[in-house]
Amino acid sequence: EVQLSESGGALVQPGGSLRLSCAASGFPFTNYALSWVRQAPEKGLEWVSAITASGGDTFYADSVNGRFTISRDNDRDTVYLQMDSLRVEDTALYYCARYYERSGYYFFKHWGQGTPVTVSS
Amino acid sequence: SYDLTQPPSVSVSPGQTARITCSGDELPKHYCFWYQQKAGQAPVLVIEKDTERPSGIPGRFSGSTSGTTATLTITGVQAEDEADYYCQSADTGGTYHVIFGGGTKLTVL
Repeated sequence: EVQLSESGGALVQPGGSLRLSCAASGFPFTNYALSWVRQAPEKGLEWVSAITASGGDTFYADSVNGRFTISRDNDRDTVYLQMDSLRVEDTALYYCARYYERSGYYFFKHWGQGTPVTVSS
Repeated sequence: SYDLTQPPSVSVSPGQTARITCSGDELPKHYCFWYQQKAGQAPVLVIEKDTERPSGIPGRFSGSTSGTTATLTITGVQAEDEADYYCQSADTGGTYHVIFGGGTKLTVL
């Protein structure tokens, strides 16, 4: 069974940093690209970042580009999201999700339960 | 980047048909995917590649497209279908970039 388990969410002050982790199990980790998707309170889903299966390429939404860094440890089956220069508007539940690809299109069939990040003074 | 526009809310009585739309200028070029998110839970994929239903998704869920609009149809709505529904498609930023619609709250009266 595919499982994704996020951790690391916390209350942090504006301008601060946080590192989220997503531990994966139940599938060959090195075969799949992974993503972080966030959801602000009472708001919709927002794609944040992605990393290829090898970790060689990373991608970011404009809203976090230059402040967030995604990485993965293929020995530990874990993906990370380093979040720096945090802003109030980064407050959200952060989901880890595994990409599926069909006909060149990417979507998500498996999600974690999310880890909450609150940016507030 | 571009926007995917969904109505904020749709309300139907049990047994009726609910239709949730998703509009975007780039949709004719890309597939649309639909997710159901119940309160306090992670999203669940209910339609992939415009019209295909993943295994385990009830047959009352279907998808269609016409021009710049994709539609999720739930035929014979049940109380358990009350949830937020999101469309998703490819964004213009690159292979792994995806974009979500703003979400539609389906209320079963």
